[in-house]
Amino acid sequence: SQQGEEDPQALSIQEGENATMNCSYKTSINNLQWYRQNSGRGLVHLILIRSNEREKHSGRLRVTLDTSKKSSSLLITASRAADTASYFCATVSQGGSEKLVFGKGMKLTVNP
Amino acid sequence: EAGVTQSPTHLIKTRGQQATLRCSPISGHTSVYWYQQALGLGLQFLLWYDEGEERNRGNFPPRFSGRQFPNYSSELNVNALELEDSALYLCASRLSGANVLTFGAGSRLTVL
Repeated sequence: SQQGEEDPQALSIQEGENATMNCSYKTSINNLQWYRQNSGRGLVHLILIRSNEREKHSGRLRVTLDTSKKSSSLLITASRAADTASYFCATVSQGGSEKLVFGKGMKLTVNP
Repeated sequence: EAGVTQSPTHLIKTRGQQATLRCSPISGHTSVYWYQQALGLGLQFLLWYDEGEERNRGNFPPRFSGRQFPNYSSELNVNALELEDSALYLCASRLSGANVLTFGAGSRLTVL
C-alpha cells in the first residue's frame, strides 16, 4: 500500500521557475525523505527531514514538514532542464519497521 | 566505492517461467530492500533483508521470494511468472542504523 501521495502528479515549468511538489501521508512517521528518479533508472536520495523538524535546505532544495497535516512539500528553486525527473516522497513510520514506503511519484518537466 | 549493482539489466521471460534477479549492496551495508516499479504504480515494497534474515515483506504472493547471502548480496526469485510481473525491480541497500537507501539501476523484467 502507498503511504505518500505526491501532488500534482505531473508538472511542467520553464527553466528558471520554481517547482513545488506536495506529499501527503497517512501514519505517524519518524522521517520523510525525497528521492529523484531519471528515466526509469534507480532512485537517488535528495533530502531527509525528521519528524521533529519543520524545514530543511540543501542547495536549491527546500523541504517543509507539517506533521499536524501529515504533509510535506519540496521546493526546487531556479529550476534547470536537468531537474527533469520523477520525484518521490518516502516515509519511515513510527514503530520500528524500518521500511521505507514510497508514493507514486510526480513527473517534473523543466522546459529550456 | 562501487554502488549497488544489479543483474541482469534486462530479462525477458514467458508466462509460467521463473526469474532470478541479483543485487550486490554497497560494501558495509547489511540491509537490502527490493521494490517493484510497474508502469504507473510507483514503487511497491517487496522484501527487506538484514543480516541474512527476512525482516519484512510486502503484500505480494508467495511466488515472490528471496534470500540474503553471508556476503549480504541478495537474490529475488519470481516463480510462475505472470504478465503483470513485468516491471522494473529495484534493489537498495542501507547501512545499519542509517535512514537513507542507495538504489541500484534496476533490472527490467518483461514477461511475454
